[in-house]
Amino acid sequence: DSGVTQTPKHLITATGQRVTLRCSPRSGDLSVYWYQQSLDQGLQFLIHYYNGEERAKGNILERFSAQQFPDLHSELNLSSLELGDSALYFCASSASGGAWETQYFGPGTRLLVL
Amino acid sequence: EDQVTQSPEALRLQEGESSSLNCSYTVSGLRGLFWYRQDPGKGPEFLFTLYSAGEEKEKERLKATLTKKESFLHITAPKPEDSATYLCAVPRDSGYSTLTFGKGTMLLVSP
Repeated sequence: DSGVTQTPKHLITATGQRVTLRCSPRSGDLSVYWYQQSLDQGLQFLIHYYNGEERAKGNILERFSAQQFPDLHSELNLSSLELGDSALYFCASSASGGAWETQYFGPGTRLLVL
Repeated sequence: EDQVTQSPEALRLQEGESSSLNCSYTVSGLRGLFWYRQDPGKGPEFLFTLYSAGEEKEKERLKATLTKKESFLHITAPKPEDSATYLCAVPRDSGYSTLTFGKGTMLLVSP
C-alpha cells in the first residue's frame, strides 16, 4: 500500500458526460501528479500540482482540468467524454516535486466510456 | 524531447532462468532513472532510483544498473510472483519531477 488513495475504483459513463476523479496524497506529500494509461499509449503524464498551484502540464486535453485543494487532495475533471478517454487514471504523490523525488502511485481509477 | 525505450516488449522465462530487461533513454542532464513494477490493473509500485552512471541497487532477486545511456534490470532466478510489467522512467527536461515512462516490459515467469 503506497498511502495514496483514489476514488472511485471504477467508473462507467456515456459519451458527452462529465466525471470527477479524486486523489488523496500520502501524508506529508505536497505534490500530486495525474497520469493516464491506455493500452496503446502507455503511462502519460497529464498535470502536476504542488501545494495548490499548477506546476507543469503534459498531454492534458482542454476538456480535462484539475485542481488541488487546501487539504492537498486533488480532483481531475473530465468533460465531454469520448470513447477514447477510456483508460486507467493514476495519481501519484511526492514530498515536494523535485526531479529526484520518488513518486508513489495510487491504485487508479478505471474509466470506461460507452 | 525525452525518449525512453524499453526492450524486449515481452519476455517469458522459466522459473529460475535469469535474464535482463533494458531501458535506453535520450535526455540531457540525467537527474535520475526510476524503475517501477506494475501488476495488471494496479498502480505502479516503486522499485529503485538510480542517480548516476555506475550506480547499482538490489532488492531480492532484482538488481538495477545504470550507464550513461541505458539501464538494466537483472532478474536472478525469477519466481512466478515476479511476473509483472516493469516500467522505467526519467524526469522530463522541465526540471520538475514529471516523469517520462517507457512502455514497459511484460515479464511472465512460468513454474
